[in-house]
Amino acid sequence: EAQVTQNPRYLITVTGKKLTVTCSQNMNHEYMSWYRQDPGLGLRQIYYSMNVEVTDKGDVPEGYKVSRKEKRNFPLILESPSPNQTSLYFCASSLWGEQPQHFGDGTRLSIL
Amino acid sequence: KNQVEQSPQSLIILEGKNCTLQCNYTVSPFSNLRWYKQDTGRGPVSLTIMTFSENTKSNGRYTATLDADTKQSSLHITASQLSDSASYICVVSFLSGGYNKLIFGAGTRLAVHP
Repeated sequence: EAQVTQNPRYLITVTGKKLTVTCSQNMNHEYMSWYRQDPGLGLRQIYYSMNVEVTDKGDVPEGYKVSRKEKRNFPLILESPSPNQTSLYFCASSLWGEQPQHFGDGTRLSIL
Repeated sequence: KNQVEQSPQSLIILEGKNCTLQCNYTVSPFSNLRWYKQDTGRGPVSLTIMTFSENTKSNGRYTATLDADTKQSSLHITASQLSDSASYICVVSFLSGGYNKLIFGAGTRLAVHP
């Protein structure tokens, strides 16, 4: 089954404790992206990757890092999480950037 | 400034009725427009994608229209079902630096009641 898998689905942690949210897709997609979704706001892009070893900042990259060492995986790293990063995070992938994206089911992060 | 605005913010309709959701955008240069459905607790799922030259596109009971001149799109849902209860997100794609970038609307939350 074609899917984008995020882990964990839920996480409560404390300020400053490094965390990684994993994202994996099994569709051999070139393009992958991370978004955060906050109440009353649309999905906002954090980082995206056009291909392996190619990543670029989205609209809200501050406080986040990503890496794309292999095509299927695109982890999101919060080196020193802060409460304003409490949000619902989605990973997505598509064959190319212009194509509709497949989204994961989200990761709800709470930073205390 | 590139923006996507959706209306209404929320909508309640009775099962079996039709409804229309609106999306206005100021994105330029326009590449394509997409509608997604997001069920509670799930990621968005693509419904339609339309390029500049397409006026309408259907996906079952969902029909999207696009007026590139007025920069407006609508999503019409026919004979609504309880399973249509979800948020509907309009996404506009534009070219920037040789790549497609996406602007997401805040969504319309639809509730279908029996």
